[in-house]
Amino acid sequence: DADVTQTPRNRITKTGKRIMLECSQTKGHDRMYWYRQDPGLGLRLIYYSFDVKDINKGEISDGYSVSRQAQAKFSLSLESAIPNQTALYFCATRAAGGPGELFFGEGSRLTVL
Amino acid sequence: AQTVTQSQPEMSVQEAETVTLSCTYDTSESDYYLFWYKQPPSRQMILVIRQEAYKQQNATENRFSVNFQKAAKSFSLKISDSQLGDAAMYFCAYRSALETSGSRLTFGEGTQLTVNP
Repeated sequence: DADVTQTPRNRITKTGKRIMLECSQTKGHDRMYWYRQDPGLGLRLIYYSFDVKDINKGEISDGYSVSRQAQAKFSLSLESAIPNQTALYFCATRAAGGPGELFFGEGSRLTVL
Repeated sequence: AQTVTQSQPEMSVQEAETVTLSCTYDTSESDYYLFWYKQPPSRQMILVIRQEAYKQQNATENRFSVNFQKAAKSFSLKISDSQLGDAAMYFCAYRSALETSGSRLTFGEGTQLTVNP
């Protein structure tokens, strides 16, 4: 099984619908992140969390919300999806301290019609 | 805020040849980490190599090496003996060493590498 698991892998939805992307990890890391990837823009940070009680906005948090249900689970919600939220979404985790790399999930491709 | 720029949206290389991908970044910090990630068509993000800013020696990982120029804020990736499996999108990324800054990774726009047989 993957260390960082995202569900769903692919989703097509309609404008105005509520969507939740889920992420769970087995690495025991306390730091978790949600990124959005768009062509020509790289990956941009939406939200990040250092622990269950610590949630922080990233550079593009408008239109998104998150929930850290447990150390291992970090969900991203789109309360009312719009077409420009069509993108590839990544969850990632990292251990605290040092030059540790980010470990990524396999991505969730979301299409909003 | 830190920014990372990859000025080459696309690059191509012949199999077995060498290619260099460019990356520049902007920061006022002195202690940080730099990374190159690879994203093949499977879309999985894979760490290729990392560099710690306080280390003067350039990092190497098998066929992958970097040219880290701290004063110029440049961090290029050299791929030697290119293989078909190296074809992917490559992202350069920066992270502050200060945990209080959020430990966020800032990514460049990406460079799509094509390897021709």
